[in-house]
Amino acid sequence: GESVGLHLPTLSVQEGDNSIINCAYSNSASDYFIWYKQESGKGPQFIIDIRSNMDKRQGQRVTVLLNKTVKHLSLQIAATQPGDSAVYFCAENILQAAGNKLTFGGGTRVLVKP
Amino acid sequence: DAGVTQSPTHLIKTRGQQVTLRCSPKSGHDTVSWYQQALGQGPQFIFQYYEEEERQRGNFPDRFSGHQFPNYSSELNVNALLLGDSALYLCASSPLGVSYEQYFGPGTRLTVT
Repeated sequence: GESVGLHLPTLSVQEGDNSIINCAYSNSASDYFIWYKQESGKGPQFIIDIRSNMDKRQGQRVTVLLNKTVKHLSLQIAATQPGDSAVYFCAENILQAAGNKLTFGGGTRVLVKP
Repeated sequence: DAGVTQSPTHLIKTRGQQVTLRCSPKSGHDTVSWYQQALGQGPQFIFQYYEEEERQRGNFPDRFSGHQFPNYSSELNVNALLLGDSALYLCASSPLGVSYEQYFGPGTRLTVT
């Protein structure tokens, strides 16, 4: 069935180091993947997305890698800052004309240590 | 430019009651999706509205219903509330013709006692 999951529930990282958040997905038909950041008391905030025909996409301080062979998605955050402390979710979607629902995983909490 | 707005921020209801949550999409967005997020979990898709019609629905009972108005704003209604309905209810809006790009509001925290 459709499911998105994360390997690590909590990730502690030193300020200035790089963070890597991993996500496994099970639906090989998914063709669009998104990373969201959710701070306490707020809704999920879009970070970066990637289509299934890509292996890598870079944004500002973030890189998403997609490995379709093993159905694995990762988010790399460069030079992690205190403001990066949040819960990170990956979500998947099957692009279609009539409606697009996002399927989310359980989330990984990132704690940045000063 | 205001983002997605939701009201109320918090709500406390009793089992068996009914509740209505409201969402105003980001300017220029015509599609609204609703999600339920239990504490410590990822959001779960409830349904999506486009052109005032429900176009896709997740695995939620008929107690959950919605509506979209001509100005694209939307309501989520939940009847016969259960304790398990306590959650953060998130609204997400999408740009014209790009319903997979979803931008979330701050959510409404519903507590059922």
